Order: sequence, then structure tokens, then C-alpha cells
Amino acid sequence: GAVVSQHPSRVICKSGTSVKIECRSLDFQATTMFWYRQFPKQSLMLMATSNEGSKATYEQGVEKDKFLINHASLTLSTLTVTSAHPEDSSFYICSARGGSETQYFGPGTRLLVL
Amino acid sequence: ELKVEQNPLFLSMQEGKNYTIYCNYSTTSDRLYWYRQDPGKSLESLFVLLSNGAVKQEGRLMASLDTKARLSTLHITAAVHDLSATYFCAVPQRGTSGSRLTFGEGTQLTVNP
Repeated sequence: GAVVSQHPSRVICKSGTSVKIECRSLDFQATTMFWYRQFPKQSLMLMATSNEGSKATYEQGVEKDKFLINHASLTLSTLTVTSAHPEDSSFYICSARGGSETQYFGPGTRLLVL
Repeated sequence: ELKVEQNPLFLSMQEGKNYTIYCNYSTTSDRLYWYRQDPGKSLESLFVLLSNGAVKQEGRLMASLDTKARLSTLHITAAVHDLSATYFCAVPQRGTSGSRLTFGEGTQLTVNP
């Protein structure tokens, strides 16, 4: 089956620093990758959609200068949280889609900003 | 704008009982997904329902889709403690970047001995 990995699984950082999260499709080529954020006891909220080789499309209310997304290859997308603050602490989940409609979800990255 | 609503949001039930979780959505869609999420974990795919009248079963869970009513159900039969988790339905929505998923609020299921 299709496998998506994320790295790191957990990160703690100081306020004001930047954090990069990687999302990889391990056994298929992902033409589209999605980044979600999930706060405790809430649903998944789509932050942005990225297509390989083009700029990401951000959802309303998501600051593109704060959440930098790069989808440089068909197997890798990165999300960089710039100048992180405590309110950015959340569970970040990526998903990847290849030739079908189905999205395959990564294991998630828990970010804690102190 | 697509809205996806789940009912109930919280469900506490005894082992051995049956119950149904409902997922309503506001615009036309020909498919629907169900996921399970354990605490601290990501999503686990349960079912993909691809057409009107689709019914799928896996163990004690059975999901169905009525595209005309814009309703999906997830039925739990003879619940066991291992089914305790949060269950999400999700509906795809066509956009300029292709299809994207809109999730329901989630149903937190607790199965008590």
C-alpha cells in the first residue's frame, strides 16, 4: 500500500525560531500533497495544497509567509513554520495523492513552541 | 461552501451494544471517506464509499452512502473496547487545485466494559 512518512514526529522549539517538517511519499509519486493542522479535540483543517513544481494554494486565513511550503519533487514536500509562536503549537498532518483521488496520510508531527 | 456535519460528536456506549454515527454533507458528492483516529495518532483509512447505495463492512463496522440524501452512516455492531477512538467522515470537493477533502467534526467514541 501507499506509505507516507513525516519527519520529525515530534519537535519542541523556542518561540521565534523556525521549524521545518518533511513529508515524503515512499512508494509512489505524489503529484499533490496537502498540509493539515489539528488542534486538540478538533477536526483536521486544511492549510494548503501543493502541486509539484508550482506554488502552494493556501486556504483562507492561513498566512503564506508564515507557513512556507515547498514541493520540489514528486516524493517530497516541506512545511516551514517561520518565527514560531506558542499559538502555532499543534499536530501537523500531511497527505499525498498520486494518480487516484485517494489521499494517503502521514503519521503527523507534533509541534510544541515554548 | 461544503459543510460536513457528524452526529453525535460524543458517544459513550457499553460493550455489546449497537449504535450508528451519521454524516451529513451539504453539496453533491459521489464519494465519501471514513477514518479512525486514535489519541496522538494520525488518520487510519476505514472505508471509501464510491457510489450511491454503496455499503462496506469490516469487522464490527459497516458504512453506507446515500448520495441523494447526502448522508452516510457508520454502524457499530456489538461494540468492543478496542473500537474506542475518534471517527471522521470526509467528503471530496472539486477546486482549482483538484479535489480536496472537507472533514466532519469527528465523533469521539468511548466503549465502556
